[in-house]
Amino acid sequence: DSGVTQTPKHLITATGQRVTLRCSPRSGDLSVYWYQQSLDQGLQFLIQYYNGEERAKGNILERFSAQQFPDLHSELNLSSLELGDSALYFCASSVVPGSYEQYFGPGTRLTVT
Amino acid sequence: QKEVEQDPGPLSVPEGAIVSLNCTYSNSAFQYFMWYRQYSRKGPELLMYTYSSGNKEDGRFTAQVDKSSKYISLFIRDSQPSDSATYLCAMSLNPGNTPLVFGKGTRLSVIA
Repeated sequence: DSGVTQTPKHLITATGQRVTLRCSPRSGDLSVYWYQQSLDQGLQFLIQYYNGEERAKGNILERFSAQQFPDLHSELNLSSLELGDSALYFCASSVVPGSYEQYFGPGTRLTVT
Repeated sequence: QKEVEQDPGPLSVPEGAIVSLNCTYSNSAFQYFMWYRQYSRKGPELLMYTYSSGNKEDGRFTAQVDKSSKYISLFIRDSQPSDSATYLCAMSLNPGNTPLVFGKGTRLSVIA
């Protein structure tokens, strides 16, 4: 158990809908990362926050947004969902901003029908 | 061409075999190289980390980086069924400033 929690574990929704994925980092970790994992693309970095501030951005679609709250938990919002958004979404955390040692949560499996 | 290429496998070996997992990359500026292990239905976990070229050993695992060939390897000695997982290579210019770039992962099965 990495200490990173993600909810929900599974999410099934329809095209055009909006969902929110939640992540609680390990105790003491200030940095949170979001990744998307699919068979086609592998594990792709989406966005990173450090202590509430956006730190780095990857190939995150404009339909997606994230934030990190004062209690350090983070939410990833996905809107106008398309079939191609079906994937595993992982949250990871680290003590310092931008670390090779990232602790991953168990993921949220999103299915868009 | 993707920045990081990794053969997806699957790779199936008998227990006790030596396993070699590899990645190639195109960006010669990468300096930090990692191997993550991902068990089924779990998130990835860091297995090994190497900076620049050279070898690093940790128990049954050895990571090698050849920057001149843009090629990294992970060797697993005396492989065990518990090593069955997907292995993802990852690399970065500088983790403090740039995100990790992952390979797609190689699925390994070690058969008892």
